[in-house]
Amino acid sequence: KAGVTQTPRYLIKTRGQQVTLSCSPISGHRSVSWYQQTPGQGLQFLFEYFSETQRNKGNFPGRFSGRQFSNSRSEMNVSTLELGDSALYLCASSLANDRAYEQYFGPGTRLTVT
Amino acid sequence: GENVEQHPSTLSVQEGDSAVIKCTYSDSASNYFPWYKQELGKRPQLIIDIRSNVGEKKDQRIAVTLNKTAKHFSLHITETQPEDSAVYFCADPYSGNTPLVFGKGTRLSVIA
Repeated sequence: KAGVTQTPRYLIKTRGQQVTLSCSPISGHRSVSWYQQTPGQGLQFLFEYFSETQRNKGNFPGRFSGRQFSNSRSEMNVSTLELGDSALYLCASSLANDRAYEQYFGPGTRLTVT
Repeated sequence: GENVEQHPSTLSVQEGDSAVIKCTYSDSASNYFPWYKQELGKRPQLIIDIRSNVGEKKDQRIAVTLNKTAKHFSLHITETQPEDSAVYFCADPYSGNTPLVFGKGTRLSVIA
């Protein structure tokens, strides 16, 4: 099976712009989670989707939003970008809605905000 | 599940020595404890996990132990090699309605 894919891999935006990141999970996986990874904060949870429903949301401002489509692909959007949004954004897919399953991570999208 | 404390944040060992990383969790309902390894520039990957019905699990040079009474689980790497150098994360995924939480990570450096 193909692994989790994310597009684009690299992105440079300026403050105030918005950005949309895409994640395609492993075939058959219905759970997709998003994380922000920065050197100082580690892996911070953004949201989790299962069957097109947001199941949980982390402590991020409303500028961060996401959605999941019927084919389990997911997108996240960040509006009004700030310098502090520069990070590696990782998505991970899992087989089931029970979290006691392995998370398979994508390669990430590195976002740089200037 | 919102509190996962991981220690130490950095760890340097000589090649061939052992390394131990510990995580403490707060949710007594937690029943699955994974460890992920992230090499520089790569994605995190699961290296070992344990469920609450066992106290220890081994896979070659790595092992995970679980102490449910004290609510902590530890990653043990024996006979460390330079390729073990990476950031290791524990996670507490069974948190009911609360988000999945990873520990802050431990940067392990194996010195040849």
